[in-house]
Parts: sequence; structure tokens; C-alpha cells
Amino acid sequence: DQQVKQNSPSLSVQEGRISILNCDYTNSMFDYFLWYKKYPAEGPTFLISISSIKDKNEDGRFTVFLNKSAKHLSLHIVPSQPGDSAVYFCAASANTGNQFYFGTGTSLTVIP
Amino acid sequence: DVKVTQSSRYLVKRTGEKVFLECVQDMDHENMFWYRQDPGLGLRLIYFSYDVKMKEKGDIPEGYSVSREKKERFSLILESASTNQTSMYLCASSFPRGRVYGYTFGSGTRLTVV
Repeated sequence: DQQVKQNSPSLSVQEGRISILNCDYTNSMFDYFLWYKKYPAEGPTFLISISSIKDKNEDGRFTVFLNKSAKHLSLHIVPSQPGDSAVYFCAASANTGNQFYFGTGTSLTVIP
Repeated sequence: DVKVTQSSRYLVKRTGEKVFLECVQDMDHENMFWYRQDPGLGLRLIYFSYDVKMKEKGDIPEGYSVSREKKERFSLILESASTNQTSMYLCASSFPRGRVYGYTFGSGTRLTVV
């Protein structure tokens, strides 16, 4: 059963606007979350993380928000740039182990 | 620059062949993982290893095996390749309980079984 879900397979956004990518999880033991970015024919690369002791983490144009009660996190990219076009995966882990569980990914297209 | 290197970017194999996918990391990581990525299914864990000569099954181990004879090298073996194993294969590594930055991934191997 998929413990981490990304319900939007794709998203298109105009350059300069905000991109919002969503992720839901079911396991209440998850307490650490990551976002990865993946270009075609390359491996995923780490983008940003958040611990469950926080509800927001910001790094430049990227901000991740965590709503623990809703078991939901989101990635905001502001402003979006064409180079942000990629597949974005969210991942979650529990403190009891160091295995990450990945969502199915959202393909973001930023239109110039 | 730290690296996870996968030996091949693209492979084409015939049904029934035994296929070896190699992964080497230079970060002295204890943990290594093999995933496959398929459209709409995300990253699915095949096997992982927390130490030399140690292996654990992931979510989809059927049709695969692994070998970890040295800390830096983790090999994925398709015992008898089938067309449903056509996929992008990703190797990753991490420190034990090194959750801060998650995994470091290789560039992937695109395997086509014909």
C-alpha cells in the first residue's frame, strides 16, 4: 500500500508564477520529509527537507510546508523558472529506521 | 564531489538473459539501495543493504537478487530478464540513520528487455 501519495501526476505553471506541489502520507510515525527533483536520464537530487518539529522550511525560492494533523506537505516554488521543469518526488521516513518511502512524483512544466 | 556511479546509462538485453547492474559509491556509506522508477508508480524499492554481505528485500524483490561483497559496491542481478523488467533503475546510498539529506542517487540505468 502506498504510504506516500502525490495525487497530481502533472502540473503546468507560467514562468514567474507560484508552483505548488502536494504530498499526502498515511503513516503517523513519519517524522522527516524530503523533496527530490529529477531531470530525465538523471538520478533524483535532494532539494529541501523538513522535520516534524517544524511546519515550514525555506530555502531561497523553495518552501516546504508541513501540516501534521492533515498528514500533508506541500512544496512552493516562487517564482517558477523554466529550469524548474522536472519531476518532483516527496519522501518520508520514520525515526525508527532510515528507509525513505517515496511518492509517485509530479511532473512540473514551467512555461516561458 | 561525492558520487554514486552506475556502470551503464543504457542497456538493451534479451528476454532470458542474466543481467548485472553495478553501482559504486565513494562516500563510505553503509547503506545502499536499488530502486526502479516507472511512470505512475514512482520509486519502488527492490533491495537494500545496511552492511557488507547483508541484504534485505524491499517491496518488489521478485525476479531480482543482489550482491554486496565490498562496502562501496552493490550489484543488482536480474536472474532471467523479462520484458516487464524494462525500467529505469536507480542506485542510492546513505549513512546509517543519516536522514538529514536522505539518499545520494546515481544517474540511473535505463534497461530495455526485448
